[in-house]
Amino acid sequence: KAGVTQTPRYLIKTRGQQVTLSCSPISGHRSVSWYQQTPGQGLQFLFEYFSETQRNKGNFPGRFSGRQFSNSRSEMNVSTLELGDSALYLCASSATAAYNEQFFGPGTRLTVL
Amino acid sequence: ELKVEQNPLFLSMQEGKNYTIYCNYSTTSDRLYWYRQDPGKSLESLFVLLSNGAVKQEGRLMASLDTKARLSTLHITAAVHDLSATYFCAVDIGQGAQKLVFGQGTRLTINP
Repeated sequence: KAGVTQTPRYLIKTRGQQVTLSCSPISGHRSVSWYQQTPGQGLQFLFEYFSETQRNKGNFPGRFSGRQFSNSRSEMNVSTLELGDSALYLCASSATAAYNEQFFGPGTRLTVL
Repeated sequence: ELKVEQNPLFLSMQEGKNYTIYCNYSTTSDRLYWYRQDPGKSLESLFVLLSNGAVKQEGRLMASLDTKARLSTLHITAAVHDLSATYFCAVDIGQGAQKLVFGQGTRLTINP
């Protein structure tokens, strides 16, 4: 069974631009979560989607947004990029509701210049 | 605000030795996860602990959860070099929808 896939794997942008990252969950998984990992702040929760609905959101500014499609694929968007947005963005999927193991994708490494 | 604190943050040990990583958290939760991350890689799920007193073992790693003490431990037995990695614990506070709060991570180096 294929794992969680994320595209692109690496991305370089400049300040002020916007970026869209994509995540395809494991087949049959309906919950998709996004996390940001930086050396300074560690791993931080961005948001979680289930059946196209955002169920939880972390403490990030409104420049960070996401959505989920009917096939459970998810995208996250960051507008007006700042240098501090440089990070590894990880997507995780789980089968259905809570208490399920989350499986992480390889991540997208975003560098903002 | 929920805090998840791991101890120690850095651990260098010799092969063959035993050691324990501690994960303390500051809110009520009975769902705790352990992950491993190799340099430049993503997170690999190790253990899912879903109730007080839960204990799980896989190879040289054993994890336990004490929800009353708000403490989880990851015990390494007879360490081998391949276990060198960063280990994270994460508490799920999603209340029906998943939302993990991660510890800072423990960077484990096992020397021959």
